Amino acid sequence: DVKVTQSSRYLVKRTGEKVFLECVQDMDHENMFWYRQDPGLGLRLIYFSYDVKMKEKGDIPEGYSVSREKKERFSLILESASTNQTSMYLCASSALAGAKDTQYFGPGTRLTVL
Amino acid sequence: GQQVMQIPQYQHVQEGEDFTTYCNSSTTLSNIQWYKQRPGGHPVFLIQLVKSGEVKKQKRLTFQFGEAKKNSSLHITATQTTDVGTYFCAGPSSGGSNYKLTFGKGTLLTVNP
Repeated sequence: DVKVTQSSRYLVKRTGEKVFLECVQDMDHENMFWYRQDPGLGLRLIYFSYDVKMKEKGDIPEGYSVSREKKERFSLILESASTNQTSMYLCASSALAGAKDTQYFGPGTRLTVL
Repeated sequence: GQQVMQIPQYQHVQEGEDFTTYCNSSTTLSNIQWYKQRPGGHPVFLIQLVKSGEVKKQKRLTFQFGEAKKNSSLHITATQTTDVGTYFCAGPSSGGSNYKLTFGKGTLLTVNP
């Protein structure tokens, strides 16, 4: 079974703090994704990566950056957290190139920025 | 940009009743995927449809892909309390990178026992 793990289930940070969200997958998947999920807005793609050190912006990249130094690990960075970044953050991975492949999601990190 | 719309946003049914959620894309899709997210959980892949007019069944769940490949539906027969959750459709994003999926906002199904 594919396993995608995220470093924290719940996180509380203060405005202006630098926040790191970590995601690890154990199936040697090429592609990894970061989404945020908000009530009424569904899943919105922040960034994705299709290879080590490669990244592309998703639909809402402002205020975020990412890092993929190793194939299994994809980090989401909030350089200076703001209250409007309070959300559920979901990491996902998929094996094959293109959008035809199943995405496997991690359990999510619920981030609260005070 | 591309839009993937789902209706209804919410659906409450009595256990044993049927349920249908509809997904409509503003652009033609090469494929469509369906995911289920249980309350407090994360989205889990259910199925992918690729062919025009395709119909697939998983026990009480029936998935259809429209002839024009712009719409899809998920029908649950005789709902059970285990069906509770949010059902999302997702299709490849048009334009730009072909790695991205555009998700609908989902239909939240609640079932009264």
